Amino acid sequence: DVKVTQSSRYLVKRTGEKVFLECVQDMDHENMFWYRQDPGLGLRLIYFSYDVKMKEKGDIPEGYSVSREKKERFSLILESASTNQTSMYLCASTPLGAQVVNEQFFGPGTRLTVL
Amino acid sequence: AQSVTQLGSHVSVSEGALVLLRCNYSSSVPPYLFWYVQYPNQGLQLLLKYTSAATLVKGINGFEAEFKKSETSFHLTKPSAHMSDAAEYFCAVIKGASSYKLIFGSGTRLLVRP
Repeated sequence: DVKVTQSSRYLVKRTGEKVFLECVQDMDHENMFWYRQDPGLGLRLIYFSYDVKMKEKGDIPEGYSVSREKKERFSLILESASTNQTSMYLCASTPLGAQVVNEQFFGPGTRLTVL
Repeated sequence: AQSVTQLGSHVSVSEGALVLLRCNYSSSVPPYLFWYVQYPNQGLQLLLKYTSAATLVKGINGFEAEFKKSETSFHLTKPSAHMSDAAEYFCAVIKGASSYKLIFGSGTRLLVRP
């Protein structure tokens, strides 16, 4: 079974703190994604990585950065957390295939609260 | 640009009743469409996907969806709801012809009454 794990299920941080959210997948997938999920807005893509050290901005990258030093690990960084970054963060991965319709496999999510 | 619209943020059905969750898409290219389910405190899980092979797509847990190009719809159905179907459901479309990115709808929360 594909497994995508996220380092924390719940996280509470203070405004201005630097926050690291970690995601690890064990299926050797090339593509990894970070989303945030907010009620009534569905999932919105923050950043996408298609290879080690390669990244691409998603729809809402402001206030976030990412790091992918190893194929299996994709980190989301909040340089200076703000209250409007309180949200559920979901990581996903998908293999590089001949067809582009491979499903994305999701982690359980990290619920981040910024006080 | 690709997008999906889910009609109804909440749908409530009785156990044993038909489940119908609506999704309409907008796509400038032949769409690849997905339905995902999110159970409480979990990540998303793929229910089914449309990749142009067949217009009626069967998924897990008795769900199916029909692609209707004339109506730009991809509604999700299940003949008989079970209490365990209570969850949030997301429709999604691939962002572009050669993209790995998904565009998600806003989600529909399904409530199942005993």
